[in-house]
Amino acid sequence: GQNIDQPTEMTATEGAIVQINCTYQTSGFNGLFWYQQHAGEAPTFLSYNVLDGLEEKGRFSSFLSRSKGYSYLLLKELQMKDSASYLCAASDSNYQLIWGAGTKLIIKP
Amino acid sequence: GAVVSQHPSWVICKSGTSVKIECRSLDFQATTMFWYRQFPKQSLMLMATSNEGSKATYEQGVEKDKFLINHASLTLSTLTVTSAHPEDSSFYICSALRTSGSGQETQYFGPGTRLLVL
Repeated sequence: GQNIDQPTEMTATEGAIVQINCTYQTSGFNGLFWYQQHAGEAPTFLSYNVLDGLEEKGRFSSFLSRSKGYSYLLLKELQMKDSASYLCAASDSNYQLIWGAGTKLIIKP
Repeated sequence: GAVVSQHPSWVICKSGTSVKIECRSLDFQATTMFWYRQFPKQSLMLMATSNEGSKATYEQGVEKDKFLINHASLTLSTLTVTSAHPEDSSFYICSALRTSGSGQETQYFGPGTRLLVL
């Protein structure tokens, strides 16, 4: 079956670094997406990986290992506004997104 | 970046009435749009895939006669919740699929519509 796993909740300190992991199993694979969702709002696109390796975009980086079915989202220099849920989604052979349940990230001062 | 709008953002209606939600891609054409539903503290649940000029594809367990989807143009898809009941109260989010010049497909989300059925 198709499955996405990510931690339910993580806590980190303002200014620190946090890594949110995601493992996936899909029928075919056409890329891995990360979205940020603040409470009560729709998700916003953060990153897309289809090749192995690290993609850096400012304070946010995303990594993919296709052989391991594994991705992570790395957030540096954490700010209070980064408190949100982070959704991992894998694109299957039909380009449908298989969604993880989301990781709620709590930032403490 | 790509912009997707939804209207209305909030709707309160009486049980038994129908509600229409619009989803528009403002700066790109979208052959494919998706409709999601999200319950509090839960992930997105895909309801249906909307393809311009053809019938929508509904996910298992989603009643197509209750959730009518029309994708009449490359920039507009509508979801109509017919004969709404309190259990239909939820956060409805649409997304539009944008294909870049390199062929990468990315979903961009609308801001969502919060529906409350009394």
